[in-house]
Amino acid sequence: AQTIHQWPVAEIKAVGSPLSLGCTIKGKSSPNLYWYWQATGGTLQQLFYSITVGQVESVVQLNLSASRPKDDQFILSTEKLLLSHSGFYLCAWSRTGEVFFGKGTRLTVV
Amino acid sequence: GEKVEQHESTLSVREGDSAVINCTYTDTASSYFPWYKQEAGKSLHFVIDIRSNVDRKQSQRLIVLLDKKAKRFSLHITATQPEDSAIYFCAASMSNYNVLYFGSGTKLTVEP
Repeated sequence: AQTIHQWPVAEIKAVGSPLSLGCTIKGKSSPNLYWYWQATGGTLQQLFYSITVGQVESVVQLNLSASRPKDDQFILSTEKLLLSHSGFYLCAWSRTGEVFFGKGTRLTVV
Repeated sequence: GEKVEQHESTLSVREGDSAVINCTYTDTASSYFPWYKQEAGKSLHFVIDIRSNVDRKQSQRLIVLLDKKAKRFSLHITATQPEDSAIYFCAASMSNYNVLYFGSGTKLTVEP
């Protein structure tokens, strides 16, 4: 069975500080991987997707970047956090359309 | 790009009644329409989906209808139970599934 693990579970970070969120998928080779962001009480917005190792496509520009260093790993990062980056970050993988989400990372920027 | 509009921001029904959530989309190229459920403070959980080659799909108490002409799709939850209470999101994507566009969510409350 496939499992998706996100880390950390929650973070409180200062404005201007760097950020790195991670995601690992086990039990599925060469998955499509995704990052989503949900503002508090808001809808979901897809940030990035990756079809293969080393290739990441941006969907929206939020001063964030993503990388896929290994087949089963997806990293979301920025060098300087903004207050507007606060929210719930979800990593996901898919097979033929159906998207499976991780448990998410709750980020508070202060 | 695609815009998905979810018409009911909140919906309250009595236990045992049916609940209907409606969504519309703008891009005729969209061909995949999933629904997700989010309980308070938790992640999203896949509920049901429909592809554009059919106009109806049922999974137990869940029915999804798709009207391609009107660019509208809906989720019907029959015989609702208190555990159906959650926020439901509709979404749309094209056949490559690379980008999923979400509606704004409907908070469903099922009252005993």
